[in-house]
Amino acid sequence: QVQLVESGGGVVQPGRSLRLSCAASGFTFSGFGMHWVRQAPGKGLEWVAVIWYDGSKKFYADSVKGRFTISRDNSKNTLYLQMNSLRADDTAVYYCARFIGGDNSGYYDYWGQGTMVTVSS
Amino acid sequence: QSALTQPASVSGSPGQSITISCTGTSSDVGSYNLVSWYQQHPGKAPKLIICEGSKRPSGVSNRFSGSKSDNTASLTISGLQAEDEADYYCCSYAGGGIWVFGGGTKVTVL
Repeated sequence: QVQLVESGGGVVQPGRSLRLSCAASGFTFSGFGMHWVRQAPGKGLEWVAVIWYDGSKKFYADSVKGRFTISRDNSKNTLYLQMNSLRADDTAVYYCARFIGGDNSGYYDYWGQGTMVTVSS
Repeated sequence: QSALTQPASVSGSPGQSITISCTGTSSDVGSYNLVSWYQQHPGKAPKLIICEGSKRPSGVSNRFSGSKSDNTASLTISGLQAEDEADYYCCSYAGGGIWVFGGGTKVTVL
């Protein structure tokens, strides 16, 4: 069965870095685009970033552009989110999600359980 | 990259029908027909309930239905049940590789 397991969250000081991982299993990881979505405490879902199935295209929300980098290692079935220059408003649960669709349409059919990132001094 | 607009809360009695709106612009919801909807219970990951505007994934109750008119997508829950009490989010492509969610709607079963 499809499984997505995030890891790497924790408490980090403002300005520092953190790398999240999302280990995928139960499907052909290299055949699917993948997204990161976050949810601040008590708030709604916020789209963060997307990476094409082969890593050829990446797009970011304005709120993280220039600070976060999405990447993947298809040989390890793993998605990553490198987060630099972290700010307090990056505090959130970060979910990875499998994407079904094309360039301008689609949906998330599987989600991980999320990993909590807290940015605080 | 503005969030799609959803009502903060909607409530209904068991057995009733409720509708949640998701209003965007001609650059997102209005341009792309395929809004998706997600249900999220407290402390849980979101769950896909409507894809491609109006399709239900396998295992999702037929009490959930989706539609769209111009810049507004809608999710209708018919025959409201206690288990439907959750947060609901819409999501749309917004162009330029960017995706956007609605602000979320808390559904309360009275």
